[in-house]
Amino acid sequence: QKEVEQNSGPLSVPEGAIASLNCTYSDRVSQSFFWYRQYSGKSPELIMSIYSNGDKEDGRFTAQLNKASQYVSLLIRDSQPSDSATYLCAVNGNSGGYQKVTFGTGTKLQVIP
Amino acid sequence: GAVVSQHPSRVICKSGTSVKIECRSLDFQATTMFWYRQFPKQSLMLMATSNEGSKATYEQGVEKDKFLINHASLTLSTLTVTSAHPEDSSFYICSARDLQRGSSYNEQFFGPGTRLTVL
Repeated sequence: QKEVEQNSGPLSVPEGAIASLNCTYSDRVSQSFFWYRQYSGKSPELIMSIYSNGDKEDGRFTAQLNKASQYVSLLIRDSQPSDSATYLCAVNGNSGGYQKVTFGTGTKLQVIP
Repeated sequence: GAVVSQHPSRVICKSGTSVKIECRSLDFQATTMFWYRQFPKQSLMLMATSNEGSKATYEQGVEKDKFLINHASLTLSTLTVTSAHPEDSSFYICSARDLQRGSSYNEQFFGPGTRLTVL
């Protein structure tokens, strides 16, 4: 089982719709969770961090965390073509006695005009 | 805040030469920086964790003698690809953690990446 799992997609949504991106993780003691956006040919950009159960909203983005289910998601409201990118889920865990962030393989989002 | 720079952004070199890539945190101090490699259409692969003032921690399968990492200050880490070969051609990205934020948060801020092409 992969430590951080994401559906590779592509996930296609029409412009203006809500895009829902999901991520599951295997390490129960993980404390910090992140969503990064990566445009083709560019490096990842941090868009959301979440540390406690529940929802965290920032503009059109909402991160949701459920530690009991080991599940974190990202909702993008009013999706725009400029949101088309690969979204990476990252989880902070403890590996070999030190803190380590593990990235999922990413979900490719396509917002269709 | 939390800006990370990389230099160069793009480099083309001949097989057998060495290439040095710099990673700088511009507006914060970073005791820990990370080096990743990403091949086309593939996910990020962590190569090593660079610790200021001590040896880097390499991931399994990454040759420490080929990928030399130096983290001499709280704002600068360098990755040197020694005796580069065409199979080393990739997108190399560094990231840094803000010392002020504390280890429990572990937010990483990425540099813009360096695209290496070895002929």
